[in-house]
Amino acid sequence: AQTVTQSQPEMSVQEAETVTLSCTYDTSESDYYLFWYKQPPSRQMILVIRQEAYKQQNATENRFSVNFQKAAKSFSLKISDSQLGDAAMYFCAYLLSGNTPLVFGKGTRLSVIA
Amino acid sequence: DTGVSQNPRHKITKRGQNVTFRCDPISEHNRLYWYRQTLGQGPEFLTYFQNEAQLEKSRLLSDRFSAERPKGSFSTLEIQRTEQGDSAMYLCASSGGTGEGNEQYFGPGTRLTVT
Repeated sequence: AQTVTQSQPEMSVQEAETVTLSCTYDTSESDYYLFWYKQPPSRQMILVIRQEAYKQQNATENRFSVNFQKAAKSFSLKISDSQLGDAAMYFCAYLLSGNTPLVFGKGTRLSVIA
Repeated sequence: DTGVSQNPRHKITKRGQNVTFRCDPISEHNRLYWYRQTLGQGPEFLTYFQNEAQLEKSRLLSDRFSAERPKGSFSTLEIQRTEQGDSAMYLCASSGGTGEGNEQYFGPGTRLTVT
């Protein structure tokens, strides 16, 4: 069974600085998808960024980028120029295919200090 | 923009009562998922529909839980004889729009409190 591990329960970052959230996963598959979701306090989960395993190029969405290391089964999220609105729980998630459910990590709570 | 909607947003019930939650997915999405999230944890998969067919159920989905998706549109999740351990956030997600990838879009959730 696939598993996702987020080893940092909590992280903090100064406003305008850069922070990296870690995620590792375990799978025997070669084709799959990885996601980072953001869940602000008492608000719904939104998709931050996605990565297809067959793509070598790391995904980027504005201030958010990933470092995808397929051999190491590592998928970290880098947030640049952190803003107060980035404060939230961040979940790393694995998806085998469109017909399977997401497998989530336990999340990392990110605080942004003004 | 009509995203995934869920009703009610909050439900407080007494132990032993039945509750039903509703999820309306994004209209063109043919796949619908239910997850449960407890405090401090990531969401855990409960069940999955493609159109009206329920294709997969988690071991978490005990006999007291039942889900339906009549006509492949909205879905309902019913919990019978609720227990305090059922207290959680119940999340619905949908995916499968034309031209989209496999990403799932989540609703705001229904927070259930069993007293």
